[in-house]
Amino acid sequence: GAGVSQSPSNKVTEKGKDVELRCDPISGHTALYWYRQRLGQGLEFLIYFQGNSAPDKSGLPSDRFSAERTGESVSTLTIQRTQQEDSAVYLCASSLGGGLRNTIYFGEGSWLTVV
Amino acid sequence: SQQGEEDPQALSIQEGENATMNCSYKTSINNLQWYRQNSGRGLVHLILIRSNEREKHSGRLRVTLDTSKKSSSLLITASRAADTASYFCATGDSGGYQKVTFGTGTKLQVIP
Repeated sequence: GAGVSQSPSNKVTEKGKDVELRCDPISGHTALYWYRQRLGQGLEFLIYFQGNSAPDKSGLPSDRFSAERTGESVSTLTIQRTQQEDSAVYLCASSLGGGLRNTIYFGEGSWLTVV
Repeated sequence: SQQGEEDPQALSIQEGENATMNCSYKTSINNLQWYRQNSGRGLVHLILIRSNEREKHSGRLRVTLDTSKKSSSLLITASRAADTASYFCATGDSGGYQKVTFGTGTKLQVIP
């Protein structure tokens, strides 16, 4: 596609429910990132996929968070048993290769509100 | 964990003035990039500087890198109201397989 696509753009869910956030990266981009950004704060690294390598999950805040990526295409971030502190915008990004040798392209984010 | 820290956290200037933002990071890097974010949406790439470069220009942007001090600065000259946004530095470890982390950001307000 032309850019990184994320869905849904907005999601309101009840505390305790599970949510799935989807990211469709730019075609051909081997690297895919998920970040979380709480209101007025910086980007918090969650997980990084690079090609066929094992993902770097070091940023996932708890075992309620998981993410999958199908080959070098779509990724899904799943939050189980959502809590109010999970409310944030979840940003997905992709790049041609890992690290900072290439520009990282961001989606517009998925705003999650847990009530 | 975040590698970079920007300062100041917030900056308010008049249109036409220059804006300087700083980024400090912790571990060795290969490259450093600066990004801009409008209204909490996706970030947009501004400029990349490699570890063997000391200064780079792009339009009204000037970036410096001091690897001995583990710091970088972003200068926006002749600021415009449209420059109002948050600015982040992005760093990665110097290893070949590296995640990218972002700093805490500087929120810039340019007053017309």
